[in-house]
Amino acid sequence: GAVVSQHPSRVICKSGTSVKIECRSLDFQATTMFWYRQFPKKSLMLMATSNEGSKATYEQGVEKDKFLINHASLTLSTLTVTSAHPEDSSFYICSARDEVPSGSIYEQYFGPGTRLTVT
Amino acid sequence: LAKTTQPISMDSYEGQEVNITCSHNNIATNDYITWYQQFPSQGPRFIIQGYKTKVTNEVASLFIPADRKSSTLSLPRVSLSDTAVYYCLVGDSFGSSNTGKLIFGQGTTLQVKP
Repeated sequence: GAVVSQHPSRVICKSGTSVKIECRSLDFQATTMFWYRQFPKKSLMLMATSNEGSKATYEQGVEKDKFLINHASLTLSTLTVTSAHPEDSSFYICSARDEVPSGSIYEQYFGPGTRLTVT
Repeated sequence: LAKTTQPISMDSYEGQEVNITCSHNNIATNDYITWYQQFPSQGPRFIIQGYKTKVTNEVASLFIPADRKSSTLSLPRVSLSDTAVYYCLVGDSFGSSNTGKLIFGQGTTLQVKP
């Protein structure tokens, strides 16, 4: 099946620094990717929709200046957490939508997630 | 996007069949029903998807009644490795007219005991 990778798988950074997380679709093209955040024992919360070649669409309550999203190619989206604080520590997951349908279905695949710890 | 309601948790024993029911009273005509599985510190994994009646694949079955207001994920003969969180999602996110945004509910934590 289709694979989505994330890099790094886990990262520790100091408070006030920025960290970039990459999401790649390895064997398919994705015009649209999504970024989620998940706190311990909680469900996934959609943060934003990443659109190739255009600005991301953020969900209500998500600070676009803090969570910078760049979708520069059909296989790569990046999420940069700027001026990170301990409360930004979380599990960040991306997903990618295959732009070539399987029948009438546009499949969506999730990455393995990135564990961010801000000290 | 239709709201879904699932049990928060379920317990089972190895070898048993597990049925997890999801209610989605406001499902729309174009909506699909999709189930994902998530293990701790991993991304969700697609299990099964359906629109109506019954769908079966190598890992699960999905039963959808005629009114489509609920669905049941059936896991045959579970093992310890099936301990995970299971999410029911409803929407037309997989169709051509939608961007693909998926909204996750609380999910059902399945604990399989030896």
